[in-house]
Parts: sequence; structure tokens; C-alpha cells
Amino acid sequence: GAVVSQHPSRVICKSGTSVKIECRSLDFQATTMFWYRQFPKQSLMLMATSNEGSKATYEQGVEKDKFLINHASLTLSTLTVTSAHPEDSSFYICSAPREMNTEAFFGQGTRLTVV
Amino acid sequence: AQSVTQLDSHVSVSEGTPVLLRCNYSSSYSPSLFWYVQHPNKGLQLLLKYTSAATLVKGINGFEAEFKKSETSFHLTKPSAHMSDAAEYFCVVSPNQAGTALIFGKGTTLSVSS
Repeated sequence: GAVVSQHPSRVICKSGTSVKIECRSLDFQATTMFWYRQFPKQSLMLMATSNEGSKATYEQGVEKDKFLINHASLTLSTLTVTSAHPEDSSFYICSAPREMNTEAFFGQGTRLTVV
Repeated sequence: AQSVTQLDSHVSVSEGTPVLLRCNYSSSYSPSLFWYVQHPNKGLQLLLKYTSAATLVKGINGFEAEFKKSETSFHLTKPSAHMSDAAEYFCVVSPNQAGTALIFGKGTTLSVSS
């Protein structure tokens, strides 16, 4: 079964509104979670590293004020896309490694469409 | 620094023929390597992983990959393609540092024709 749960799987929102995406580790504690963005027919691009109890680390070119990340507990990280615009439409995926040197577990992904 | 290069952006095979998806990596130490598969509009599924044990790694759905240090390669193979294998495949390297994200290749689209 899934060990990382991401919700919602699909969301359509109006331009200018905000959308929150949740990522939960189900049977382990994740001090670190990662948020990726995937454009159609492209690879996954790391957006930010979410650290429990501290500020997220954003990759170059990612606007931290637009993509708000909160990692308030050891099993939950949230990504909020603020004031969404059509160019924010994409597939967002979270992941959490259980241990170092092991594979990361990925959420199911969220298809965001901004109209 | 670690990096991974998938040599083919698109591979087309006929059903029942062998599959070869090529991946080369760059790492300053012995890496952990993975292959993930992504079906359309779906999340990522781990096919197999190499973490310094046996160099020939068997995964799910009949896939396997061989870690070749001398060639810095980790090619993915399957003896006989099935229609359901059509998907996007990602070769991934782990920096092997706590709190560091996986590094993805650009992906290879596998098409299977009947």
C-alpha cells in the first residue's frame, strides 16, 4: 500500500485563488519531504525541500512567497500555491525518504489546473 | 556532484521484443541508483534499485538492470515487451546524503506497438 499519501489528486481553481496540497507519510516519520513539479512530457524538477520544524529550502528560480511550504509535523507537509495563475498549472509530486540510501516514496501527485 | 543522463528520449519497440533503456551516471563515490516508471497521469512507481549489493538487479514486471562501474552505466532491460510497459521511465541517482533529494534523469518514453 501507499506509504506517502498526497491530496488532492486533481484540482481546478480560478486564477487568483490559492490551493493547498497535502503530503502525508503514513507509517513512518519524515523529517524531510521534497516537492517536485513536472511539466507535460518533462522530468521532475525539484522545487523545494521541506524540513520539519524549520523553513523550507527552495531551489533557484522558485518563488518562496508563491509556493508556501509548511512542515508542521513529522508526517505532514503542505504546499500552498498562492494567487495561482494559468502558468502554475502543472503536476506536483511530493516525496519522502524513509532512510538514507533507500528509495524515496512518492505521493500520487496533484494535477493542478488554473483557469 | 552527481548527475544522471538518459541517452534516449524516446524508444519504440514491438510487443514481444527486448527493451533497452540506457542510463549513464556521474558520481564521485559509489552511488545508489534507481529506475522509476510513470504511467500517464499517474505517480511514480519504483521498478528496481541498486545500493551496492549485487550488480545485476531484478525488479518488478520482468525488468532488470546491471550496474557497471567501469562504464558508469545502469541500463534497464526486459526480455519481452508488453503493451502495458508503455510509459515514461526515469533513471535516478541518490546523493546518499541525509536530507538530499534524488536526482532525476530527463526520462525516456517507451512506446510498444502490437
